[in-house]
Amino acid sequence: DVKVTQSSRYLVKRTGEKVFLECVQDMDHENMFWYRQDPGLGLRLIYFSYDVKMKEKGDIPEGYSVSREKKERFSLILESASTNQTSMYLCASSTAGTGNYGYTFGSGTRLTVV
Amino acid sequence: QKEVEQDPGPLSVPEGAIVSLNCTYSNSAFQYFMWYRQYSRKGPELLMYTYSSGNKEDGRFTAQVDKSSKYISLFIRDSQPSDSATYLCAMRPYNTDKLIFGTGTRLQVFP
Repeated sequence: DVKVTQSSRYLVKRTGEKVFLECVQDMDHENMFWYRQDPGLGLRLIYFSYDVKMKEKGDIPEGYSVSREKKERFSLILESASTNQTSMYLCASSTAGTGNYGYTFGSGTRLTVV
Repeated sequence: QKEVEQDPGPLSVPEGAIVSLNCTYSNSAFQYFMWYRQYSRKGPELLMYTYSSGNKEDGRFTAQVDKSSKYISLFIRDSQPSDSATYLCAMRPYNTDKLIFGTGTRLQVFP
């Protein structure tokens, strides 16, 4: 069964902490994505990566950075966590181009910043 | 104006009802259309995928795309309480891998 695995289901962090969210996929997908999901706002793209060491900003990259050193792993970093980053974070992956039949999502990480 | 509009609901229906979920969009370049289902506290899962216009059926689910009206629909026949979830539409043009999502419609099917 193909999978996107997010390292934590629930996280509680303090304001100002550096936070790492990890995502691993086992489908050899080229593309990986980080979204946050908030009530009434839907899914908002933070960053995506279309290849190892390649990244592009999404719609809301401020306060976040990413790292993709290996094809299967895509990390989201909150440099200095703030309370407005409390959210559900979703990682997704997909093949590239015409073989892209949609994303496979992880189960999500619910992050609370106190 | 958002590129993809979706009524947030909630939509509450009795078991056995036919459910219609809809999205409208503004970008005529969209070619690939998807519906995702998301249960509470879970990630979205792909339910239906269609390319360009037309209908696609899978069991109790039918996806419909009308590109002339920039309108897509998901129909659920004989709805079950287990169908209670948030349904998100998503779409993309041919030249990018990034999906544009609707905000989701919350569906409740009561016994």
